[in-house]
Amino acid sequence: NAGVTQTPKFQVLKTGQSMTLQCAQDMNHEYMSWYRQDPGMGLRLIHYSVGAGITDQGEVPNGYNVSRSTTEDFPLRLLSAAPSQTSVYFCASGIWRQETQYFGPGTRLLVL
Amino acid sequence: KQEVTQIPAALSVPEGENLVLNCSFTDSAIYNLQWFRQDPGKGLTSLLLIQSSQREQTSGRLNASLDKSSGRSTLYIAASQPGDSATYLCAVTNDYKLSFGAGTTVTVRA
Repeated sequence: NAGVTQTPKFQVLKTGQSMTLQCAQDMNHEYMSWYRQDPGMGLRLIHYSVGAGITDQGEVPNGYNVSRSTTEDFPLRLLSAAPSQTSVYFCASGIWRQETQYFGPGTRLLVL
Repeated sequence: KQEVTQIPAALSVPEGENLVLNCSFTDSAIYNLQWFRQDPGKGLTSLLLIQSSQREQTSGRLNASLDKSSGRSTLYIAASQPGDSATYLCAVTNDYKLSFGAGTTVTVRA
């Protein structure tokens, strides 16, 4: 049982490049989400999913796309990277409202 | 929009002292409140979850209270140890999202 895994751990992009941050969980959780964490600020929700085929926007969705084709995977796509997207990205999964959310180790992204 | 505030932003105490971390939120229509621990460069680890119908939760040296009507929660850590040094995050659940505070960074001096 690996919990929530994220790849890569660290990535450097140039402005305008695109990339996909991977997130997978092996706990059969319906709910998955992506957050970004910036210095001095709390984590902010980017997108979330309540099950395969269902996604919705969070607080800061602009510049990001998601899809949920399986229960296990919830990738986050940066369409055209901007320096403002430099951040640490966390994926989480859980049973909504009933228990805690389990967080992955994070992906540190630097956009130059 | 839910706003979550954590005070103080940083705290330094000698080993053995009790820690008191505060969290306040503006919208009392929450499902639950959670306290997380984050070590530098790491992900979040859940410490305690308090459902909206509960007043407190305890786990070992940790005790968290919830006063939903006043929009406040307090995390108590008894007899602090250097290993308790970390950032502690408070998060409340509304609809389908967690709203986080910016955290309190705790340093326990040996």
